[in-house]
Amino acid sequence: DTGVSQDPRHKITKRGQNVTFRCDPISEHNRLYWYRQTLGQGPEFLTYFQNEAQLEKSRLLSDRFSAERPKGSFSTLEIQRTEQGDSAMYLCASSSQGAGTDTQYFGPGTRLTVL
Amino acid sequence: QKEVEQNSGPLSVPEGAIASLNCTYSDRGSQSFFWYRQYSGKSPELIMFIYSNGDKEDGRFTAQLNKASQYVSLLIRDSQPSDSATYLCAVKRDKIIFGKGTRLHILP
Repeated sequence: DTGVSQDPRHKITKRGQNVTFRCDPISEHNRLYWYRQTLGQGPEFLTYFQNEAQLEKSRLLSDRFSAERPKGSFSTLEIQRTEQGDSAMYLCASSSQGAGTDTQYFGPGTRLTVL
Repeated sequence: QKEVEQNSGPLSVPEGAIASLNCTYSDRGSQSFFWYRQYSGKSPELIMFIYSNGDKEDGRFTAQLNKASQYVSLLIRDSQPSDSATYLCAVKRDKIIFGKGTRLHILP
């Protein structure tokens, strides 16, 4: 257990529905990252926050995806109008800016299945 | 050219032998390099990081970095069946880019 938690661990939804995932980072970490991983691939960067500011968003992220970190602690990732291609493991990671190498620690992930 | 390249495997190694995992990267400005282990259905788990040329040892694991050749490797000594997993190489300049991973299978 790295100290990063994600909820829910599994989500099954029907195409067209909205889903929201939550990530709670390690408490002293000010950076929070979202990744998506599909079978046989490495984690793919989606977006990241430093404190409450969203500093970068992948161009691969369509406007159906939105992420927030309103108080600089936990974060949510929402997917609107889900599509079958959104089925993946959604991973959250956190790190400390002052740690030099920006070593990221991952949560257990949320596995999304879109029917 | 892909940013971070790894042989997908599977790499089969007898128990007790040395497993050697390799990774090449394209961005010469990369500063930090990470190895993660990922068991099937689980999230990546950090094994170690390296940012200076040369070797870095941690228990049975040794990371090797050669920035001139844009090459980073992970050696696992005295391989155990519990080492069977996918090993992800990750490279950081502005953000971390992951390779697709190498599947390692330790043969009992």
